[in-house]
Order: sequence, then structure tokens, then C-alpha cells
Amino acid sequence: GQQVMQIPQYQHVQEGEDFTTYCNSSTTLSNIQWYKQRPGGHPVFLIQLVKSGEVKKQKRLTFQFGEAKKNSSLHITATQTTDVGTYFCLPGNTGGFKTIFGAGTRLFVKA
Amino acid sequence: DTGVSQNPRHKITKRGQNVTFRCDPISEHNRLYWYRQTLGQGPEFLTYFQNEAQLEKSRLLSDRFSAERPKGSFSTLEIQRTEQGDSAMYLCASSGEQVTNYGYTFGSGTRLTVV
Repeated sequence: GQQVMQIPQYQHVQEGEDFTTYCNSSTTLSNIQWYKQRPGGHPVFLIQLVKSGEVKKQKRLTFQFGEAKKNSSLHITATQTTDVGTYFCLPGNTGGFKTIFGAGTRLFVKA
Repeated sequence: DTGVSQNPRHKITKRGQNVTFRCDPISEHNRLYWYRQTLGQGPEFLTYFQNEAQLEKSRLLSDRFSAERPKGSFSTLEIQRTEQGDSAMYLCASSGEQVTNYGYTFGSGTRLTVV
């Protein structure tokens, strides 16, 4: 499985501010998935990106896949307290079945 | 079908004891995964089943860990001679062939505490 670096590790924002987390790979990815894990909860699938340069939106969330398919980002516009949690990226397998999550970015939102 | 079910939710055991966890995946899903997660870390891959076949196993797993999925439905994860370092959340996830569209569906996990 592929391995990725996810940054930042933590982010504190004031409610209403924007937030972005990045997932970077040294190799080309076949696809990438994003998950959200609320405190005390389990990871929940958000989206998958497959195509080079792909951009997908879910309400205030915007997901991008880089042109070279080596990096991806998740951007939240005007954060709310409900956005609190850890956001993980999961690079797609290019062979084998092992799935390796990024270390995650933990988002704290202050009301 | 209410999703992936894991039992028990919590388990406290003494060091050296054996423990077994159960995972019931979404019925239509033929793929099943076990992960371990410690505080502040991402899920760490343990093993993967496609139907009843165990196709991948992490090198991180010692011989004390074993998993089964005898009929291609529910799965069990057993840890023998538990150690304090085994304390973690053990997550199960399942997916169908269309993992690319729907991702992996996780259960709520079993939190193991070894005292």
C-alpha cells in the first residue's frame, strides 16, 4: 500500500474561519479517499477522488486531487463546531490489499 | 442491515489472558478489514479478508494475533497472551466491490484495555 504525509497534525480555528488539510505522496496515487472521525467515534467515509485535477464539493467541503495525482487537499469553508474531529486521507492501493491511512489532521473549532 | 457491528464495545482483561472480538459486516459486503487504532493515531491495518480467504496480514502482527472469517460472513479477531501494549481500539470495516464509490464502512470498534 501507498504511504502519505498528512499536514498539519493539528489545527485550531475560530468558528467561521476556513480550514485546509493536505495529503502528500512521493508516488503517483491511483485514487484517494477522505474520512472524518469525530471524537470518540469511528472513521466515516466522505469522498473518493480518482481523476487528475479532480475537484468535488460537499456543501462547505471542497476536495481536490492534484494534477500529478501525488497530493490532495480538503478545504472547509466557514468552519462550524460540528466540523470538529480528525480528517484522514487514505491513498488507493496500486497492488495488494493493505490500506494505510494518513496520520490525520485533528481540527479544533472554538465557538 | 444497520451497518458494521462489533462486539463487545469494551473489554478489560488482565495481562496474559486471551481475548476474542467479533465483527459482523454489512451482509452484502464480501471484503472485511481489521484495524488497530491508538490515541492520536490513524487506523493501522492488521488484516484483510475477501469472503473467507485471508489475503493480507500485516507484518506488525505477532503470532499472538489471529483472525478468521469461516463462512465469509462474520469475523473474529483473537489476541492470545495479551500485553499492555495491545491496549487500543480495534476497528472492523467492510466494503463491497464498489469500494471506490462508497469507501469502507467502519464499525464502532472494540476498546481493549489490558491491565
